Amino acid sequence: EAGVTQSPTHLIKTRGQQATLRCSPISGHTSVYWYQQALGLGLQFLLWYDEGEERNRGNFPPRFSGRQFPNYSSELNVNALELEDSALYLCASSFGHLQETQYFGPGTRLLVL
Amino acid sequence: RKEVEQDPGPFNVPEGATVAFNCTYSNSASQSFFWYRQDCRKEPKLLMSVYSSGNEDGRFTAQLNRASQYISLLIRDSKLSDSATYLCVVIESPMNSGYSTLTFGKGTMLLVSP
Repeated sequence: EAGVTQSPTHLIKTRGQQATLRCSPISGHTSVYWYQQALGLGLQFLLWYDEGEERNRGNFPPRFSGRQFPNYSSELNVNALELEDSALYLCASSFGHLQETQYFGPGTRLLVL
Repeated sequence: RKEVEQDPGPFNVPEGATVAFNCTYSNSASQSFFWYRQDCRKEPKLLMSVYSSGNEDGRFTAQLNRASQYISLLIRDSKLSDSATYLCVVIESPMNSGYSTLTFGKGTMLLVSP
């Protein structure tokens, strides 16, 4: 069974640009979660989507946004990129309840120059 | 005050040693707890859930102490392959809030040497 997939694996942008990251959950999972893992800061919760709707949001500015498509895949958009947005962005999926086990994708490494 | 705290380590132990990590949480409304393992430059993977009665999976034992608000992970007979960062996860659902939050600790690094 295929796991969570993310694309691209690496992304290089410059300040002020926009980045789009993509995630495909495990088949049958309806929830997708996005996390930012920056050096020294640990995993920071960004967004949770379930059944196409945003269920919860972490303490990030509005320029971090996303959506979930009818096939449960998801996009994370980061506008007006800043240097400190450089991080590993991890996507996870689960069966739809926050207390279900989350399975992580390999992540997208975003570098903002 | 940080919501979920872990000693970052690294914990350096020889093969065969027993090692334990704790993870403290600040919100007594926390309901569910997990331990994840993250290898260098890899994604986190679930190691085990933490049940109120404690649970054991082979060499790994997880326990919950609600009174003192911490969870623990004990690894017996450490193997070289146990070297990784161990992340605790706390899920809380504040009463009448209608939402749940999930918080990862920053992780504890374990290095097992020959």
